Amino acid sequence: EAGVTQFPSHSVIEKGQTVTLRCDPISGHDNLYWYRRVMGKEIKFLLHFVKESKQDESGMPNNRFLAERTGGTYSTLKVQPAELEDSGVYFCASSQDLVRVGELFFGEGSRLTVL
Amino acid sequence: AQTVTQSQPEMSVQEAETVTLSCTYDTSESNYYLFWYKQPPSRQMILVIRQEAYKQQNATENRFSVNFQKAAKSFSLKISDSQLGDTAMYFCAFMTAGGGADGLTFGKGTHLIIQP
Repeated sequence: EAGVTQFPSHSVIEKGQTVTLRCDPISGHDNLYWYRRVMGKEIKFLLHFVKESKQDESGMPNNRFLAERTGGTYSTLKVQPAELEDSGVYFCASSQDLVRVGELFFGEGSRLTVL
Repeated sequence: AQTVTQSQPEMSVQEAETVTLSCTYDTSESNYYLFWYKQPPSRQMILVIRQEAYKQQNATENRFSVNFQKAAKSFSLKISDSQLGDTAMYFCAFMTAGGGADGLTFGKGTHLIIQP
């Protein structure tokens, strides 16, 4: 069974450009989370989808970030326009349900470098 | 709000040695879960071990064990007989018992290097 996959693994863009990160969760997992780790800092929650609905997006830093989850399957996270402080590793995780606490399956992360 | 603190940014030990990674947390919740996650270089982050706060017995998974001190809000990870494959970033994490829509609260991580 395929795990959580993220694309691209690394993206280098210039300030002001747009980048779209994609996450394919494990098939059948309704819960999908996005996290971000800025270098030297904690991994921070960004948002949580349950199927196609945004359950909690309290961690989204500002309106330059837009997340979608088409049909409750894969999710995209778009940053437009990108700023220097957006650099970091963006992790996606999925889980079958919240009852199975801790059974979050993570992707390898997408490293974003904004120059 | 919960906070998780990992005070050791990096640690290095020789293969076969035992190493302990520290983690402290702060919460007003009484029922919660604690985790250690491991991310090897260029690999996915995986769950190493989990502890339910209501359980007094420390969790153990093969060479990995925890020292959970609820009153002190401490949750350290001990790796026995360390192996080269244990080289990774280790993240301590906290989750409220209800699961919480915000998932996990992580520490900054400890970069563990196992040297041959």
